[in-house]
Amino acid sequence: AQSVAQPEDQVNVAEGNPLTVKCTYSVSGNPYLFWYVQYPNRGLQFLLKYITGDNLVKGSYGFEAEFNKSQTSFHLKKPSALVSDSALYFCAVRDIYNTDKLIFGTGTRLQVFP
Amino acid sequence: DTAVSQTPKYLVTQMGNDKSIKCEQNLGHDTMYWYKQDSKKFLKIMFSYNNKELIINETVPNRFSPKSPDKAHLNLHINSLELGDSAVYFCASSQDSGSGTGELFFGEGSRLTVL
Repeated sequence: AQSVAQPEDQVNVAEGNPLTVKCTYSVSGNPYLFWYVQYPNRGLQFLLKYITGDNLVKGSYGFEAEFNKSQTSFHLKKPSALVSDSALYFCAVRDIYNTDKLIFGTGTRLQVFP
Repeated sequence: DTAVSQTPKYLVTQMGNDKSIKCEQNLGHDTMYWYKQDSKKFLKIMFSYNNKELIINETVPNRFSPKSPDKAHLNLHINSLELGDSAVYFCASSQDSGSGTGELFFGEGSRLTVL
């Protein structure tokens, strides 16, 4: 079965510092990977996706993610964190071999301190 | 215009009641979904419909019944509400029938509280 894991419940970072939110995946075949962000009391917003091609994917709000096949990881990164980046971040994988559903990780809360 | 809209945003009701949540998307997508987010923020798929046809029914109790009158609408009806049904329910849509490459667009959620 396809799955993703987010090993950190919370990540704390000072404003202006680089941030990384970790995600590892377990899939059979090619992984279709996504990152979403959820602000308090809001729906999920799409940030970026990896389907194929360049391992470094750029997305919304200055975020990027690096697909690493050997480490089965898809970590979310940003060079300089903003307080407004504080939110809940979800990694997800599309299970194209089983109804094409989007399976989410458990989420990582990012807290950016001024 | 909101791409995926859900109503109501908040719903407070007593155990045993029946309630519905409505969802509409104006993106022209073929596939719509219902996800449940529990108090720990875990997100789990419940149903998906492609062009009014049920594709995913993820071992959800049969008290939950989705209805898709057309491909722009997917409603969720819940019978005999239980305390454990309290959660935030998200509707979503996508335009990629089976390719797996398209992102999902989510509504703002409907917070259901069962007393």
